[in-house]
Amino acid sequence: EVQLVQSGAEVKKPGESLKISCKGSGYSFTSYWIGWVRQMPGKGLEWMGIIYPGDSDTRYSPSFQGQVTISADKSISTAYLQWSSLKASDTAMYYCARKGGSYHYWGQGTLVTVSS
Amino acid sequence: DIQMTQSPSSLSASVGDRVTITCQASQDISNYLNWYQQKPGKAPKLLIYDASNLETGVPSRFSGSGSGTDFTFTISSLQPEDIATYYCQQYDNLLPNTFGQGTRLEIK
Repeated sequence: EVQLVQSGAEVKKPGESLKISCKGSGYSFTSYWIGWVRQMPGKGLEWMGIIYPGDSDTRYSPSFQGQVTISADKSISTAYLQWSSLKASDTAMYYCARKGGSYHYWGQGTLVTVSS
Repeated sequence: DIQMTQSPSSLSASVGDRVTITCQASQDISNYLNWYQQKPGKAPKLLIYDASNLETGVPSRFSGSGSGTDFTFTISSLQPEDIATYYCQQYDNLLPNTFGQGTRLEIK
């Protein structure tokens, strides 16, 4: 069974760094792109970027380029989304999703709250 | 970037009604279109992929059609459990794989 399991909710202060994770199982992790999607409170879905764990090829939406870093560790079948300096506006739910043609499989989401 | 224009933004309908949502792409995306259902506090659930293919386990009252730039999502007979927000998404190789703005569906 394909599963994407994300790390737990985080509460951070502005300026702090953060790395959240998405662990894939039940399939060949290096053979499918993993994308990240943001959903701010009460708002719609925003596609952030995507990584191919097989060779770490990474693409970003222009809206998120330079704001976050996407990475992957294929040895532990885990993709990451990280911030070097969080802002209050980064408060959101973040989802990972596997792209195999379409996005059939999604993680359960990680809620990130940034507040002083 | 490809822009996805979804309408309406909200919709109120009665149980048993036929419900239709449209999505228009700013350029040709062939049939690389998904439809998702999202309930509060939950991850999006894929209902339709490749514009018209029903995801495994999804009830047959859900359907999709279209190609190129114009797409339609239909619920043939609205059920109470269908109350949710629905999103289209293009997944052409041209990135980003943008979403529509969403349609909030309510029971009248």
